[in-house]
Amino acid sequence: DIVMTQSPVFLPVTPGETASISCKSSQSPLHSNGHTYVNWYLQKPGQSPQLLIYSVSDRASGVPDRISGSGSGTDFTLKISRVEAEDVGVYYCMQALQTPLTFGGGTKVEIK
Amino acid sequence: QVQLQESGPGLVKPSQTVSLTCTVSGDSMSYGSYYWTWIRQPAGKGLEWIGRIYMTGSINTNPSLRSRINISIDKSKNQFSLELSSVTAADTAMYYCARFTARGVGRPWGQGTLVTVS
Repeated sequence: DIVMTQSPVFLPVTPGETASISCKSSQSPLHSNGHTYVNWYLQKPGQSPQLLIYSVSDRASGVPDRISGSGSGTDFTLKISRVEAEDVGVYYCMQALQTPLTFGGGTKVEIK
Repeated sequence: QVQLQESGPGLVKPSQTVSLTCTVSGDSMSYGSYYWTWIRQPAGKGLEWIGRIYMTGSINTNPSLRSRINISIDKSKNQFSLELSSVTAADTAMYYCARFTARGVGRPWGQGTLVTVS
C-alpha cells in the first residue's frame, strides 16, 4: 500500500495568515499518463469530506484561489492563504494511483 | 445535480453481517466512467477506503477487509451496496458512499450512515 503521511496533525492559524500542510507519500503516485494522482479533501465539522484539489494542483469547482496545491515526486503541499473562519476543519491528502486508495492521517486546522 | 444517500440498519450485533445501500439520484449509474465507492470513518479518526465497484461490475476492495466484503450494483434501481460480514466493535464507524473517477476525484459524497456494532 502507498502510505500517505501528513504534517502537522494540528494547525492553529490566525485569520489572514497562511497555513501550509505537508503530505509525503511512500511511493510516487505518478501515473504513466503523466498525471500525479494526489488529491486533497476538507472535512468541515459535522460534514462529509469535500474535494478541494485533484491531480496535485487543480482546484475543484467552487474552491477559492486562496487554496492551492503543489508538489511532485513524493512531497506535496496544500497552502491556504488569507485563512478565514470557513477554512476550519480536517484536511486529508489522498493517493489514487493504486488500490487500496489511501488517505493521510489528517490535519486539523483551527482558528486562533 | 447528482446526490448520494446511504441507508443501513444503524445497530448491528457482533458476528453479524451489515448491509448498506447507497441510492444515487440526479443521474443514471449506467453512464459515465465512475467508480462507486465506500469509505468509512470511526468517530474522531481518519478515512479508510473500503472498496469500489465500476459500472461494468468490476470490484476492487481493501485487502485489510477483502475476505469480509461484498460490493454489488443494481443499475436498474440506481443503487450500489456494501455487505460487511463478521462485524466486530472495530467496524463501528460512519460509512460514506461516493462517486469517484479513476484519478481519485471524489464527488459527490453522501451524508454518511452510522453503523454501531454492539
